[in-house]
Amino acid sequence: DTGVSQDPRHKITKRGQNVTFRCDPISEHNRLYWYRQTLGQGPEFLTYFQNEAQLEKSRLLSDRFSAERPKGSFSTLEIQRTEQGDSAMYLCATQGQGADQPQHFGDGTRLSIL
Amino acid sequence: AQSVTQPDIHITVSEGASLELRCNYSYGATPYLFWYVQSPGQGLQLLLKYFSGDTLVQGIKGFEAEFKRSQSSFNLRKPSVHWSDAAEYFCAVAAVFNKFYFGSGTKLNVKP
Repeated sequence: DTGVSQDPRHKITKRGQNVTFRCDPISEHNRLYWYRQTLGQGPEFLTYFQNEAQLEKSRLLSDRFSAERPKGSFSTLEIQRTEQGDSAMYLCATQGQGADQPQHFGDGTRLSIL
Repeated sequence: AQSVTQPDIHITVSEGASLELRCNYSYGATPYLFWYVQSPGQGLQLLLKYFSGDTLVQGIKGFEAEFKRSQSSFNLRKPSVHWSDAAEYFCAVAAVFNKFYFGSGTKLNVKP
């Protein structure tokens, strides 16, 4: 169990640029979640995959955000035309089969918009 | 709608003292409840979880939590706090698709 891996750990970019984050799950976990966490808040749900299927998206996920999990393994989260308000920590979590399984979190990608 | 409230934003305790962090949830069915801990710049680490059965659950690092259905609470406790416990603590309830709803967190400071 190598844990959930996220890359990069930090991303600084200018407003209006596109950014992409990657999440590599624990290998046997078929469920994958993206969350956004701002300062002083708990993580907020963005989207959820079961294998390669994206089953739910939060209304927080504007049309500038897109997530994929093409082969049911790693996932990417892309933000187009970044805005100041996108500055946050983006967390990936994965979960094994069974409703009683906890989610295991990566260390996140901290995005700073200049 | 599902929600989690952590009423204490900051708590300071002396090393060796006991700790209780409060968590209240709102959920229509039997909840799945979790406590996570987050150190600065890190992801969340699971401390413990409750699904059913014994209402007092034990976790890692000497933490425990008690589920009280009548009070819609799931408070986290530790009998003797160590300096390394200083971190931010999040309570979460799992809903449909196991989507987690998190509280806003309680930041714990430990005085030497």
